[in-house]
Amino acid sequence: EVQLVESGGGLVKPGGSLRLSCAASGFTFSSYSMNWVRQAPGKGLEWVSSISSSSSYIYYADSVKGRFTISRDNAKNSLYLQMNSLRAEDTAVYYCARSYQLLSMDVWGQGTTVTVSS
Amino acid sequence: QSALTQPASVSGSPGQSITISCTGTSSDVGGYNYVSWYQQHPGKAPKLMIYDVSNRPSGVSNRFSGSKSGNTASLTISGLQAEDEADYYCSSYTSSSLVVFGGGTKLTVL
Repeated sequence: EVQLVESGGGLVKPGGSLRLSCAASGFTFSSYSMNWVRQAPGKGLEWVSSISSSSSYIYYADSVKGRFTISRDNAKNSLYLQMNSLRAEDTAVYYCARSYQLLSMDVWGQGTTVTVSS
Repeated sequence: QSALTQPASVSGSPGQSITISCTGTSSDVGGYNYVSWYQQHPGKAPKLMIYDVSNRPSGVSNRFSGSKSGNTASLTISGLQAEDEADYYCSSYTSSSLVVFGGGTKLTVL
């Protein structure tokens, strides 16, 4: 079964750091670009970051550029999001998602919740 | 990058057809054929319904169809069913970053 499982969410103070992980299974992880998408409470989806299959191409939303770092370990079938200098507005459910046909996302994890609050 | 513009809500009765619009600019929706649509039920992860403007992934009902004209993309759901009640999001490639989502549309089946 194709599956993505996020972990690493939690409560963190403003200015703090957190590292999210996404474990992939059931498909050849190293062949796919991957993405992080977030959803603030009661709000819509917001694209956060994308990384190509070999990590050659990396993109960030302006709202997280310079604070978040996306990475992957194809040997471990894992995707990561290092989040630094966290702000209250980063509070959201964070989903990892597999890229499909270049710019769609066809497989999503269940999400991990990040809460930034003092 | 501003979010793509979607109506906040649409509604329809079972069996009817509804259309959800998604308006962007020539830098995103209008400039590229990379519009996708996602369905999200409460508390669940999004599900891909349409990719590349009008293509359906395997397993998605043919009641769902997509199109585009100029800077506006549309998702049409025909033969509306109770289980179609959900939030719907469009997304597009954008030359300014990579991907931009719409604000979302809540579909109510009356």
